[in-house]
Amino acid sequence: QKEVEQNSGPLSVPEGAIASLNCTYSDRGSQSFFWYRQYSGKSPELIMSIYSNGDKEDGRFTAQLNKASQYVSLLIRDSQPSDSATYLCAVNPIYNQGGKLIFGQGTELSVKP
Amino acid sequence: DTGVSQNPRHKITKRGQNVTFRCDPISEHNRLYWYRQTLGQGPEFLTYFQNEAQLEKSRLLSDRFSAERPKGSFSTLEIQRTEQGDSAMYLCASSGVDQPQHFGDGTRLSIL
Repeated sequence: QKEVEQNSGPLSVPEGAIASLNCTYSDRGSQSFFWYRQYSGKSPELIMSIYSNGDKEDGRFTAQLNKASQYVSLLIRDSQPSDSATYLCAVNPIYNQGGKLIFGQGTELSVKP
Repeated sequence: DTGVSQNPRHKITKRGQNVTFRCDPISEHNRLYWYRQTLGQGPEFLTYFQNEAQLEKSRLLSDRFSAERPKGSFSTLEIQRTEQGDSAMYLCASSGVDQPQHFGDGTRLSIL
């Protein structure tokens, strides 16, 4: 079992729809969770971090964390073509120490005009 | 805050040659990380520094790889005797303690 798993996609949604991206992780001790966006040929860009169970909203983005189910998701409301990218889920398996990130393979999102 | 800077952006070299990459972190960040990313995969952790101390190294970091951060500022990653399998994007990230990591633009290595 991979430490962090994501569906590779591609996930295709129409412009204006909600895109839902999912991620599961295996280390129950994980405490910090991140979503990065990566455009083709570019480096990962941090878009959300979440540390507590529940929802965290930032603009059109909402991160959801359920530690009991070892599940973290990212919702993108009113999806735009510019949101088309690969979304990487990353987990820090050690609370407040070190900080190395374990990444999933990423989910490719395509927003169609 | 100019962000994380990596040089060079691209490196093409012949198999067997040595290469060195440089990373300049965000100035107030004391943690610096190196990752490697191949096509279609997420970044894989290689090593990290807190100030000048190298605190963790991945098993991926064979003895051909070495990283330094001599004064706790910039870092270098050297690959000796490069192999075809070393072709990848090498990413550097930095953070403050308990802060999210921010990535540089990466160095793309191609081995001929």
